[in-house]
Amino acid sequence: DTGVSQNPRHKITKRGQNVTFRCDPISEHNRLYWYRQTLGQGPEFLTYFQNEAQLEKSRLLSDRFSAERPKGSFSTLEIQRTEQGDSAMYLCASGQSGEGSYEQYFGPGTRLTVT
Amino acid sequence: AQTVTQSQPEMSVQEAETVTLSCTYDTSESNYYLFWYKQPPSRQMILVIRQEAYKQQNATENRFSVNFQKAAKSFSLKISDSQLGDTAMYFCASPNGGSQGNLIFGKGTKLSVKP
Repeated sequence: DTGVSQNPRHKITKRGQNVTFRCDPISEHNRLYWYRQTLGQGPEFLTYFQNEAQLEKSRLLSDRFSAERPKGSFSTLEIQRTEQGDSAMYLCASGQSGEGSYEQYFGPGTRLTVT
Repeated sequence: AQTVTQSQPEMSVQEAETVTLSCTYDTSESNYYLFWYKQPPSRQMILVIRQEAYKQQNATENRFSVNFQKAAKSFSLKISDSQLGDTAMYFCASPNGGSQGNLIFGKGTKLSVKP
């Protein structure tokens, strides 16, 4: 257990519905990252925060995706009007800036299935 | 675009033997870190080892070591005395650009350790 938690662990939804995932990072970490992982692939970057500021977003993050980290602690990732192509594992990671290596510690992920 | 390539989709090794997983990467940065992550079946991603690019000495963590060839942009992982618990997907990762914000992952190598 890395200390990063994600909820829910599994989510099944129907196409067109909205879903929201939560990530609680390691408490002293100021950076929080979201990745998406599909079967047989490595994680792909979606977005990251330093404290409450969203510093970078991937082109993968369409307008249907939004992420927040309102108080610089936990973060939420919302997907609106889900599509079958959104089915994937959504991974959250946290880290600390200024420590040189920018290591990232991953949570267990939320597996989304869109039917 | 920066890339990370793992050319071995699957590998197997006998328990107690040594195995080497390959990784090549492409970055324009002068100083950076490289990482190997392990993802056991249905479990979360764990950081195995990291290498700082400007250090000539190869990193070592217990049974895990790297062979870092900066000029060739090669970063292989050697696992000595393989154990059944080493069975997992292994991902190589490098930073995407100068922000050290997000990581680019390879597609992974599925390692099976056989008794």
